[in-house]
Amino acid sequence: QLQLQESGPGLVKPSETLSLTCTVSGGSISSSSYYWGWIRQPPGKGLEWIGSIYYSGSTYYNPSLKSRVTISVDTSKNQFSLKLSSVTAADTAVYYCAREGNDSSGLNWFDPWGQGTLVTVSS
Amino acid sequence: SSELTQDPAVSVALGQTVRITCQGDSLRSYYASWYQQKPGQAPVLVIYGKNNRPSGIPDRFSGSSSGNTASLTITGAQAEDEADYYCNSRDSSGNNVVFGGGTKLTVL
Repeated sequence: QLQLQESGPGLVKPSETLSLTCTVSGGSISSSSYYWGWIRQPPGKGLEWIGSIYYSGSTYYNPSLKSRVTISVDTSKNQFSLKLSSVTAADTAVYYCAREGNDSSGLNWFDPWGQGTLVTVSS
Repeated sequence: SSELTQDPAVSVALGQTVRITCQGDSLRSYYASWYQQKPGQAPVLVIYGKNNRPSGIPDRFSGSSSGNTASLTITGAQAEDEADYYCNSRDSSGNNVVFGGGTKLTVL
């Protein structure tokens, strides 16, 4: 079965760049049917979509984060990555990666999800 | 602020039926998907689209939609259904993804 696993530093200093990688196993990231997304959840708060990428490299981002976000894909490693620049304490959150399904009607869903990784922004 | 609005908290007696709602203008054009999240765990997809359940999700979970409101119904709520529930869909432009603020379900 498809599994996703986030990896990266758990502590990032303010103003620096947060970098995370999601490794996909049990299936190919090059599937033509899916995007691959990043979602975050600040402690005690709700979910926020960050952005998504297709295996071809096509991306779309949350407008509120777009100026600071870059998502990339490495099909040879079956991985996709997130970079978030100029971080502040407000970026402290659990970061999840997930497979994103879409259909022609605009329906959108995320399944499965990685276990999540907590990233704390602090000096 | 989210373009999808959910009640912060809902409660249900064990074995009874509960409806969790998600409101937003974009829901007039797009179906919602629903996720269950238990403490310390990643969200799990329970319903997507008109009323589709992923493999392994009990059939007591169902979805529906009317106007600007999407609903997740749990028929015969169990103690293990106590969790946070989130909806997601497209935004009004159709170009982005949004999540509702989440509903904490308590099973009494």
